[in-house]
Amino acid sequence: EVQLVESGGGLVQPGGSLRLSCAASGFTLSSYWMHWVRQAPGKGLVWVSYITNDGSISNYADSVKGRFTISRDNAKNTLYLQVNSLRAEDTAVYYCARGGILRAIDYWGQGALVTVSS
Amino acid sequence: IQLTQSPSSLSASVGDRVTITCRASQDINTYLAWYQQKPGKAPKLLIYAASTLQSGVPSRFSGSGSGTDFTLTISSLQPEDSATYYCLQLSSFPFTFAGGTKVEIK
Repeated sequence: EVQLVESGGGLVQPGGSLRLSCAASGFTLSSYWMHWVRQAPGKGLVWVSYITNDGSISNYADSVKGRFTISRDNAKNTLYLQVNSLRAEDTAVYYCARGGILRAIDYWGQGALVTVSS
Repeated sequence: IQLTQSPSSLSASVGDRVTITCRASQDINTYLAWYQQKPGKAPKLLIYAASTLQSGVPSRFSGSGSGTDFTLTISSLQPEDSATYYCLQLSSFPFTFAGGTKVEIK
């Protein structure tokens, strides 16, 4: 069974940093692109970032470019999102998700809440 | 690439046929997926490649379209279909979601 479990969320002050982790199981992480998607409270889904299966290529939404960094450790079956220079508008549930067939994002974690507030 | 989804909300009765549309600002071929999200839960993939039903998804869900215009259809609405539905373009980065359609049961 495919499982994605996020951790590392929490309350952080504006300008602060966090590192989100996503532990993958039930599939071979090194075979799949991986994504982060976020959802602010009561709002819609927003794609944040992706990384290729070998970690050689990544891409970001304009709203997070230069502040967020996606990475992966296939040996540890773990995806990461380093989030820096946090702003109030970064407050959201952050979902780790797998990129499957024909690029479709097919499996999602349960999400990790990041709250940016003083 | 911008995605425009309509309507933003709808209310329908059990057994009704429901149609949600998604329009892309440029040609995305069939790089489109549809998701269902219930409150407090992660999204669930329904349709990928515009018209391919994800394994395990009931056959009352179907998708169509290519290029810029796409449709998600629920052929006979069920109580458990009450949720918010999103389309996602996967043609080019940054990937983009539309704003969603909230489906309520009358």
